[in-house]
Amino acid sequence: SYVLTQPPSVSVAPGKTARITCGGNNIGSKSVHWYQQKPGQAPVLVIYYDSDRPSGIPERFSGSNSGNTATLTISRVEAGDEADYYCQVWDSSSDHVIFGGGTKLTVL
Amino acid sequence: EVQLLESGGGLVQPGGSLKFSCTASGFTFRSYGMSWVRQAPGKGLEWVSSMSGTGETTKYADSVKGRFTISRDNSKNTLYLQMNSLRVEDTALYYCAKRSAGGSFDYWGQGIRVTVSS
Repeated sequence: SYVLTQPPSVSVAPGKTARITCGGNNIGSKSVHWYQQKPGQAPVLVIYYDSDRPSGIPERFSGSNSGNTATLTISRVEAGDEADYYCQVWDSSSDHVIFGGGTKLTVL
Repeated sequence: EVQLLESGGGLVQPGGSLKFSCTASGFTFRSYGMSWVRQAPGKGLEWVSSMSGTGETTKYADSVKGRFTISRDNSKNTLYLQMNSLRVEDTALYYCAKRSAGGSFDYWGQGIRVTVSS
């Protein structure tokens, strides 16, 4: 089955740029969606279709997808961005939804 | 405003059954696929099951296939999950999620806790 690989953790200083990767075989051919989950809260969609932002999501959040890696980029990181981030695709071969293992973003 | 309100859940013994529901509002329920996603304590998100807007198409994760049944009543704007032959590893927070046309989950419920323990 299709596997999405994320780094367990990423640390960044306030005001800097955080990049969270999501690796998968030829993931560039799939649509990737990203979710933010803060402790005790439900996930929130922050990026869909690789790079589109839902209404209400700051422009600081952006996404890209090519080859075997999709990337969520958070510019000018704020303390409030500290959360777990998950990537997600739909695997056409199994017709299943796949989530990455999640990345904990720590703001130093 | 889109709202997804889960109800049910609780503590059940291994081998037992449980059914809970998710009532939707703020959108045309029958026009959208819906899914269940779970999160075991301290773990990541795991897709459980999806159903199309009409209810004609259902999909299940291998870990629950044959034990769980997803259903919906479009007249009541409600999604259900019937869980049978429950295992300790089914212990998790279960989220109801609305699936967008593009395949992302654009709205989530607050989650319902299921504990499988003797």
